[in-house]
Amino acid sequence: SQQGEEDPQALSIQEGENATMNCSYKTSINNLQWYRQNSGRGLVHLILIRSNEREKHSGRLRVTLDTSKKSSSLLITASRAADTASYFCATRTTSGTYKYIFGTGTRLKVLA
Amino acid sequence: DVKVTQSSRYLVKRTGEKVFLECVQDMDHENMFWYRQDPGLGLRLIYFSYDVKMKEKGDIPEGYSVSREKKERFSLILESASTNQTSMYLCASSSISGRETQYFGPGTRLLVL
Repeated sequence: SQQGEEDPQALSIQEGENATMNCSYKTSINNLQWYRQNSGRGLVHLILIRSNEREKHSGRLRVTLDTSKKSSSLLITASRAADTASYFCATRTTSGTYKYIFGTGTRLKVLA
Repeated sequence: DVKVTQSSRYLVKRTGEKVFLECVQDMDHENMFWYRQDPGLGLRLIYFSYDVKMKEKGDIPEGYSVSREKKERFSLILESASTNQTSMYLCASSSISGRETQYFGPGTRLLVL
């Protein structure tokens, strides 16, 4: 089945630096979402980008989508220790159902 | 605020036991989902439901069944628990008329001995 792949698997940066995570997928999508998961907790929705959009911003988050390359990136600017978490992309295919495929995640550690 | 609750945070069961995981959402969402999360594998969809009494298999339904008798409640059943079902189980819900955001519960960490 389609599987999103995040890259890198793990990322460690200093507070104040920017963090970039990438997601690749295999089939045509309706939309792509990014979620954050703090250790041992449920996921929290961050941002959604539709297949006809190329870039979206929300606060310190910037998401890009390149449907020709089947990839997306999540940029977190001016990172904080509280951004330490795992980040997942999730895609909904164009098949018409509300089934989402999640990637394997990027573990981000922001050092104070 | 949308709230998705799961019946237990931690659960320890023995091999062969029947296990029920309950999920309740309070936002009248049509869609509900059960995922399991394992290190290095991300989230994998077990089952989802788009209406009362309706269900569809996800990517890994073997060994699981589900029940949705009421719109707000979606139950995951492990008919005969096995050690390879030790995992974190996450429930989520979403609205078909909303922004497709999935709202997740806190998760149930299940250990099968």
